[in-house]
Amino acid sequence: GQQLNQSPQSMFIQEGEDVSMNCTSSSIFNTWLWYKQDPGEGPVLLIALYKAGELTSNGRLTAQFGITRKDSFLNISASIPSDVGIYFCAGQLGYTGANSKLTFGKGITLSVRP
Amino acid sequence: DGGITQSPKYLFRKEGQNVTLSCEQNLNHDAMYWYRQDPGQGLRLIYYSQIVNDFQKGDIAEGYSVSREKKESFPLTVTSAQKNPTAFYLCASSTPRYGYTFGSGTRLTVV
Repeated sequence: GQQLNQSPQSMFIQEGEDVSMNCTSSSIFNTWLWYKQDPGEGPVLLIALYKAGELTSNGRLTAQFGITRKDSFLNISASIPSDVGIYFCAGQLGYTGANSKLTFGKGITLSVRP
Repeated sequence: DGGITQSPKYLFRKEGQNVTLSCEQNLNHDAMYWYRQDPGQGLRLIYYSQIVNDFQKGDIAEGYSVSREKKESFPLTVTSAQKNPTAFYLCASSTPRYGYTFGSGTRLTVV
């Protein structure tokens, strides 16, 4: 099945730094979502984006829905140790039937050095 | 509180055994999903169900089976035909527009 493109696979940053992650697709999506997975747990929804060009914040997190509907980015500002985890992007075409299935990226593992 | 519960958290399987992973949700969601996660491979869809008594194969359904007899429950059986079952298994449910809610996962190990 199709997967979204997230790279690099791992990122290492210093505590207090900002970090930006990008997610791209060869086809359009009408909803973009960002999830975070802590070790040994299930992913948790961070931000959902519903409109091309939309910019949404959740605390220190900011995400944007690309204007072409083929990409999205997530920015984390002033990173802290608990930001460690795997960050997944996901795209959704619609809300009914097969279109409601999410397509996921492979995830980026973020490490934060104190 | 509403949520999605997977059990057990850790499961050990002997060669040739079938094992069943439980997934229960009280969110009143219609759709439910099973994913397999291996290091560096992201989330791969095994099966999904959008309504009771109906389910479809995902990308890696071989060696797995599911049932959906109740809206709240979507158990996954890992059969002996699955040659490499050691992985982290995630169950999710969804309602339109709000993405997926995931369980906390089951780690299956073949011994």
